[in-house]
Amino acid sequence: GAGVSQSPSNKVTEKGKDVELRCDPISGHTALYWYRQSLGQGLEFLIYFQGNSAPDKSGLPSDRFSAERTGGSVSTLTIQRTQQEDSAVYLCASSPGAGTEAFFGQGTRLTVV
Amino acid sequence: KQEVTQIPAALSVPEGENLVLNCSFTDSAIYNLQWFRQDPGKGLTSLLLIQSSQREQTSGRLNASLDKSSGRSTLYIAASQPGDSATYLCAVRDSNYQLIWGAGTKLIIKP
Repeated sequence: GAGVSQSPSNKVTEKGKDVELRCDPISGHTALYWYRQSLGQGLEFLIYFQGNSAPDKSGLPSDRFSAERTGGSVSTLTIQRTQQEDSAVYLCASSPGAGTEAFFGQGTRLTVV
Repeated sequence: KQEVTQIPAALSVPEGENLVLNCSFTDSAIYNLQWFRQDPGKGLTSLLLIQSSQREQTSGRLNASLDKSSGRSTLYIAASQPGDSATYLCAVRDSNYQLIWGAGTKLIIKP
């Protein structure tokens, strides 16, 4: 596709379960970001991948959160043992390079019940 | 530490008016500044990107300016329409290539 694609668009999960969120960046984009946005709040940085460099994980809120980017393309954000406070919209963005224009996906709305 | 502030937090104007949204940042060492809009329950749509060496960018009824030395950017919307109603976010790309976000301006255009 032409844009950043995220799946699923909505996910409802029970507290304590693990979830995986997927992001397909725009083809050729070397930079990939994950953010989350809680209801009525601003964007919270989670993790940043740039090419083959070690990712910037400084925004991950706990060790229950992890992310991978395979082959420099698709990224998966994994949340283990989900808690209700993990409920938010998880947004992924990609850029052609490190300091270039960012394009966002439509997000995954995660609800932990 | 870079901080980004957007003023006002909310704005409601009648249709047809021209308006200005403000964004300020504390550290002038930026790569670029990007304006986005976010519709309720949706992702972010990129509106304009201004590189640090540029002064302004235009797209249709939108014009964004950048004064890096004073740490300010404005988004000018001409002849506003109800479809412009959204939350407008500005983000600066800092020296670590991170996007640093403002809290947004919620804009309502009244028909």
